[in-house]
Amino acid sequence: TQLLEQSPQFLSIQEGENLTVYCNSSSVFSSLQWYRQEPGEGPVLLVTVVTGGEVKKLKRLTFQFGDARKDSSLHITAAQPGDTGLYLCAGDDAGSARQLTFGSGTQLTVLP
Amino acid sequence: DVKVTQSSRYLVKRTGEKVFLECVQDMDHENMFWYRQDPGLGLRLIYFSYDVKMKEKGDIPEGYSVSREKKERFSLILESASTNQTSMYLCASSLKPGEDSGNTIYFGEGSWLTVV
Repeated sequence: TQLLEQSPQFLSIQEGENLTVYCNSSSVFSSLQWYRQEPGEGPVLLVTVVTGGEVKKLKRLTFQFGDARKDSSLHITAAQPGDTGLYLCAGDDAGSARQLTFGSGTQLTVLP
Repeated sequence: DVKVTQSSRYLVKRTGEKVFLECVQDMDHENMFWYRQDPGLGLRLIYFSYDVKMKEKGDIPEGYSVSREKKERFSLILESASTNQTSMYLCASSLKPGEDSGNTIYFGEGSWLTVV
């Protein structure tokens, strides 16, 4: 089983600050996805990155896929309380029917 | 809009009881999954199914079984519930690889199971 490590596990910041969440693996993935989960809900897909070195922006969120397709980062600029939630990365091994391997998640709290 | 519906949001069961968690998707997806989510452990795959009547073990299948008699429905069964199965259970579905770029998985809202 491929492993994905996320850091930090917990992050509490003030509104307006910037932050970066990391997702690392020793394995190569065909693509990597980021999900956000709010309390009492299931995870919802934010973005999929496919190409090594790819950068995708979603408003104040910037996602990057490492050149070797083993790691990814999520950067949030000027965080807002609405960004609070659990952020999960998930690696896609295209050769496996089981599809995604999930990281353990980063619990982000943005304080007003 | 895509929809994965889990029949029970909150359940409390006694040790030794048989528990059924039902999941239905309306997107005609081939793949369906059951995960459990525990603090600090992320999502762990229990079982998945890539077709009707087909099932594959995930990372933590012990103590669980599944049933997929119809394409849209995937059931998780705890034959004899134990306290260490207290958790949040998430059902999900997706298209077959290659039919949807990035293999997007759509999740239900989750079922909180407490075994006492």
